[in-house]
Amino acid sequence: KAGVTQTPRYLIKTRGQQVTLSCSPISGHRSVSWYQQTPGQGLQFLFEYFSETQRNKGNFPGRFSGRQFSNSRSEMNVSTLELGDSALYLCASSPDGANTEAFFGQGTRLTVV
Amino acid sequence: KNEVEQSPQNLTAQEGEFITINCSYSVGISALHWLQQHPGGGIVSLFMLSSGKKKHGRLIATINIQEKHSSLHITASHPRDSAVYICAVPFDMDSNYQLIWGAGTKLIIKP
Repeated sequence: KAGVTQTPRYLIKTRGQQVTLSCSPISGHRSVSWYQQTPGQGLQFLFEYFSETQRNKGNFPGRFSGRQFSNSRSEMNVSTLELGDSALYLCASSPDGANTEAFFGQGTRLTVV
Repeated sequence: KNEVEQSPQNLTAQEGEFITINCSYSVGISALHWLQQHPGGGIVSLFMLSSGKKKHGRLIATINIQEKHSSLHITASHPRDSAVYICAVPFDMDSNYQLIWGAGTKLIIKP
C-alpha cells in the first residue's frame, strides 16, 4: 500500500506570491489533515478535510485555504506569502480522522524569500 | 498551562541504554498518539493507544487514562533511534476535532 505522498518536497517562493501544495492520502483514507511546523511554534493544526468537506479548522488567517477532491487528494493554498510562512507543511491521512491512526507524508518545506 | 506536556525536552544517552519519555495531558481523550520525527521532517506514527500497553520491536508505549499519563520506552537504544518523539492527543470540542501536540523530546543516542 503506498504511503502518504506530498508534492513538492521543497519549494522557494517570494513574498506576495501564492503557493499550492498537494497531498495524496493512503488509498481508502477519507480524512486529510494539514499541519504547519516551525521552529518557534512547533506543530500547529491548519485544517482537516473529510469527504471533500472542511470538517475542522485551526487558527490560521484566511490566506490559508484548502480543498479535497473526490479521490481524497487534498491541496493546500497559501496566498500573499509572508516570510513567516516559511515552514514544513505536513499532511496526515487517516481512515476517519478522530480516534484513528494518522499516517504522515514527508512534508513540503516551503521557504519564502 | 500547556494541555500536553512532555519530559524531558532533551535526552542524550549511550547506545544500549533504556529510554523513557513521558507525556502528561490535561484534556480528556479517547486515544493518544506517539510519533517519531527524524531530521529532515518526516513523521512516522509509532503508536496509537487508548489503554494498557503496546509493543512494537524495541518500542513500548503505556498509558494510564485515570492519571492522564503515557510513557514511551525504548529498550537497547541505538543511534538510529535518534529523533524527536512527539505525543499528540485528540481533542474534540463541539465536534471540532484536532490533535494537540506536545513540544517533543529530542533524543540523541551516542554510539
